[in-house]
Amino acid sequence: GENVGLHLPTLSVQEGDNSIINCAYSNSASDYFIWYKQESGKGPQFIIDIRSNMDKRQGQRVTVLLNKTVKHLSLQIAATQPGDSAVYFCAENSVNNAGNMLTFGGGTRLMVKP
Amino acid sequence: KAGVTQTPRYLIKTRGQQVTLSCSPISGHRSVSWYQQTPGQGLQFLFEYFSETQRNKGNFPGRFSGRQFSNSRSEMNVSTLELGDSALYLCASSSLRRNTGELFFGEGSRLTVL
Repeated sequence: GENVGLHLPTLSVQEGDNSIINCAYSNSASDYFIWYKQESGKGPQFIIDIRSNMDKRQGQRVTVLLNKTVKHLSLQIAATQPGDSAVYFCAENSVNNAGNMLTFGGGTRLMVKP
Repeated sequence: KAGVTQTPRYLIKTRGQQVTLSCSPISGHRSVSWYQQTPGQGLQFLFEYFSETQRNKGNFPGRFSGRQFSNSRSEMNVSTLELGDSALYLCASSSLRRNTGELFFGEGSRLTVL
């Protein structure tokens, strides 16, 4: 995959445990924050997003938390499964953009041990 | 509904050549974005088109260009290829005029420059 060789932060968890992936952002003008999952050989896949006027949003087995004070975003995955093994990217979309121009973080590799 | 389709999936070029990559968005999606993914720089925004107009452009040299056709299909072109252009080029589409950040990515075109 495209991330082979890149020194990505790696999170290794046991199957069934909860995972927390963290991300720091820098643009105070961002109004949407998004998490993407990228499996080997595939394009990124949208997981969940959160608007800047919220601090928590839940999806199916996933929760995103936003702390604007310290510009921190996290993705929590409940009951992590082997199929969750992938690289996870946070991204931000600025209110100053006329359309879609996402700024991606460097990514975190999640490895799930059976 | 078919996903985002990118062609070719793999290609090898030599320095100085030019390359054209094609992207067919999901039917009904009018926004098409392009991203470059490399191990060193991660995911970087190239440009975005909406209804045949370029709305945003990333920080890439003029050798990188793109266009969108009336049927929303898009192409990107890289002229005078350099070794550093070797990357996975990802196309993403969206149905919204301004997205919250939910983009649908294709599997990418992997370009190798020798």
